[in-house]
Amino acid sequence: ETGVTQSPTHLIKTRGQQVTLRCSSQSGHNTVSWYQQALGQGPQFIFQYYREEENGRGNFPPRFSGLQFPNYSSELNVNALELDDSALYLCASSRGYGGGMSRNEQFFGPGTRLTVL
Amino acid sequence: GQQVMQIPQYQHVQEGEDFTTYCNSSTTLSNIQWYKQRPGGHPVFLIQLVKSGEVKKQKRLTFQFGEAKKNSSLHITATQTTDVGTYFCAADNYGQNFVFGPGTRLSVLP
Repeated sequence: ETGVTQSPTHLIKTRGQQVTLRCSSQSGHNTVSWYQQALGQGPQFIFQYYREEENGRGNFPPRFSGLQFPNYSSELNVNALELDDSALYLCASSRGYGGGMSRNEQFFGPGTRLTVL
Repeated sequence: GQQVMQIPQYQHVQEGEDFTTYCNSSTTLSNIQWYKQRPGGHPVFLIQLVKSGEVKKQKRLTFQFGEAKKNSSLHITATQTTDVGTYFCAADNYGQNFVFGPGTRLSVLP
């Protein structure tokens, strides 16, 4: 196991609602990245947080937002849920050194399966 | 934007046969990582390649980074049923973005 935990494991929401997903990073890691993985596809990078600041973002709208806390755990918030937001949401922790996105190996959590009805 | 392709999409092999998946990027990369995801699981880091032409081996797995740093391959010798899963390459575009390929799903028939 990687030591990265995510909660909840499963979640069902309806269109238009808001959701918060949580991630605890591996001990010693200061960087958390979030990914969306639709069924049968590769993970799509949402954003990365390093020391409580967003330091990289993929092609996702502003209704996807995040936070990182002083203990390096993180939250992903999605507002105004759409049907296409149904997916597995993965967080991955790594060691970062600032000056841009962390390029080190990433340790993934088990994911949160979000279903939007 | 940057595109990462992987071929083949699916591969079915008999146990003991070899397997290769290829990853191609539309842009030059600073490094590339490979991950394996078992059915129902999460991606697990396998290797990172940084240097042009780099070759790394892990037991039956051989990873290669192309000379132009735009492509990579993963080769498995004598597949076993434990090799079943989806293999993803993840391309680092000099810290601008981190793009996973669509993956190659490997099934191994005993």
